[in-house]
Amino acid sequence: DAGVTQSPTHLIKTRGQQVTLRCSPKSGHDTVSWYQQALGQGPQFIFQYYEEEERQRGNFPDRFSGHQFPNYSSELNVNALLLGDSALYLCASSLAWNSQTDGYTFGSGTRLTVV
Amino acid sequence: DAKTTQPNSMESNEEEPVHLPCNHSTISGTDYIHWYRQLPSQGPEYVIHGLTSNVNNRMASLAIAEDRKSSTLILHRATLRDAAVYYCILLYSGGGADGLTFGKGTHLIIQP
Repeated sequence: DAGVTQSPTHLIKTRGQQVTLRCSPKSGHDTVSWYQQALGQGPQFIFQYYEEEERQRGNFPDRFSGHQFPNYSSELNVNALLLGDSALYLCASSLAWNSQTDGYTFGSGTRLTVV
Repeated sequence: DAKTTQPNSMESNEEEPVHLPCNHSTISGTDYIHWYRQLPSQGPEYVIHGLTSNVNNRMASLAIAEDRKSSTLILHRATLRDAAVYYCILLYSGGGADGLTFGKGTHLIIQP
């Protein structure tokens, strides 16, 4: 049973460009969350999607946007990239009704470098 | 959000038990206590969770203080593969899926 799949694994972009990261949730999961992890820090919650809508959002600017598709997969888009956006971007999936007890499954992340 | 406090790092020897503490003095009665760990170059991995009673699973045990203001993750027999950053997280149990609030966690070093 495949877990959470993220693509690409690594990416290099230039400041000011736009980037799209992709995530396929674990089979049976319906909720996808995105996190940003800077070097040496814990992951920071960006937002969460359920039923194709953004349900919760962390303290991130509007340059960060997302989408969830009918098959529950998700995309994270970042516009006008800044050097400070360089980080590991993690996707996590869960089942909305029992995430508090079953927990979240994380992917291995996409390493984004902005130069 | 309720906050957790963990030591920055801990060191243990292989094949010995490890007790990782977490303080959460502002926990509310509806918060679950979750533990995740992150191995090098990987995403976080769910370890265990509890509400009031101590919990055991194949990976670890979770001991929760009677007043719920602290908890301890117990690895009964540490191996080199347990070297990771361990995060203690409070998760509201009131329904719906919530974003996880990670702190800096405890960097566990296992000596052979």
